[in-house]
Amino acid sequence: KQEVTQIPAALSVPEGENLVLNCSFTDSAIYNLQWFRQDPGKGLTSLLLIQSSQREQTSGRLNASLDKSSGRSTLYIAASQPGDSATYLCAVREGAQKLVFGQGTRLTINP
Amino acid sequence: ETGVTQTPRHLVMGMTNKKSLKCEQHLGHNAMYWYKQSAKKPLELMFVYNFKEQTENNSVPSRFSPECPNSSHLFLHLHTLQPEDSALYLCASSQVGAVRTSGRAVFSNEQFFGPGTRLTVL
Repeated sequence: KQEVTQIPAALSVPEGENLVLNCSFTDSAIYNLQWFRQDPGKGLTSLLLIQSSQREQTSGRLNASLDKSSGRSTLYIAASQPGDSATYLCAVREGAQKLVFGQGTRLTINP
Repeated sequence: ETGVTQTPRHLVMGMTNKKSLKCEQHLGHNAMYWYKQSAKKPLELMFVYNFKEQTENNSVPSRFSPECPNSSHLFLHLHTLQPEDSALYLCASSQVGAVRTSGRAVFSNEQFFGPGTRLTVL
């Protein structure tokens, strides 16, 4: 059974710092991996999707990497801002349509 | 309206009530999903519909009854719920099959989520 783990569960850093969020999964037979952002009480916003054949994807200040063989992904946030404060969720797609989620990392950027 | 919308945004109901959650997607997708997000637990997939047909029921109790009348609308009918069913219920949609991106066919099945319905069962 696929399990997705995100470390740390919570992270608080001062504004301007670069930071890395980690995601690991137990079964490397995945189709792709998605990173989402969730603001308190809100739905999920898709940030980046990495296909299983890709190594990384970039969007603005965000860069996500994927090492399928070791079952790891990282989300790098450059020059963090208070508006980046949210919970970040990692999900792997196994099978045709099933997403398996981690519990998320709650990120706080302090002004 | 754009993206995926859900109504109501908040719902409080007693254990003997019957209510329905509604989801509508404006993205032209052919698949829709219900997820449950409880406190301190990862998001859990509940149901999957492809082209209006249910293709996955992730061992969900029968007090949750989904309905998909067309590829743009998805309902979750609720009856005789328990307090432990209190959670954020999220709807998502995706395009199953190839999507052309920059001239290439990509099978990403990227899922787009609605804002959720916060359900409280008393």
